[in-house]
Amino acid sequence: NAGVTQTPKFRVLKTGQSMTLLCAQDMNHEYMYWYRQDPGMGLRLIHYSVGEGTTAKGEVPDGYNVSRLKKQNFLLGLESAAPSQTSVYFCASSGQDWSYEQYFGPGTRLTVT
Amino acid sequence: QKEVEQDPGPLSVPEGAIVSLNCTYSNSAFQYFMWYRQYSRKGPELLMYTYSSGNKEDGRFTAQVDKSSKYISLFIRDSQPSDSATYLCAMRTNAGNNRKLIWGLGTSLAVNP
Repeated sequence: NAGVTQTPKFRVLKTGQSMTLLCAQDMNHEYMYWYRQDPGMGLRLIHYSVGEGTTAKGEVPDGYNVSRLKKQNFLLGLESAAPSQTSVYFCASSGQDWSYEQYFGPGTRLTVT
Repeated sequence: QKEVEQDPGPLSVPEGAIVSLNCTYSNSAFQYFMWYRQYSRKGPELLMYTYSSGNKEDGRFTAQVDKSSKYISLFIRDSQPSDSATYLCAMRTNAGNNRKLIWGLGTSLAVNP
């Protein structure tokens, strides 16, 4: 039981490049979330999903897209990376909507130069 | 003004000290109050939660909620070097669609042997 896993762990992109971050969970959770964590800003919700095939915008969705084609996977895409997207990205999942207990992955450290 | 305020620290204490970590909030509709612990370069994990008001104890950890003052605390007794981490408070309401977790910035704690 791996919980929540994220791929890749680290990435360096040049401005304008694109990439996809993959999140996978093996707890059969309906709800999945993408956060970014920045010094002085804390955890901010980018997008979330309340079930397979659904996605919704969080606090800071601009510049990101998401897809939830399979229940266990939640993908976060950056179409044209910008230096402002340099951050640590966390995926989380929960068994109930907005549960007080969210299970987090280990994070992806992204640097955009 | 942010909905949840948390002093980022850093806080440095000697091993064995009693640690007090705090958050204040402005939304009187918050009903769930959580403390997450985040070790360096890891994702947050739920440490404790309290529903509504009162105290909750788990081993060396005690969570308190004072809704009249809109103030929550986490106490760590007999602190250990393994408690060195960032502690994030999080809160949410219990009604309608507005149940996203609202996060504090996190307080960095170092327990020195």
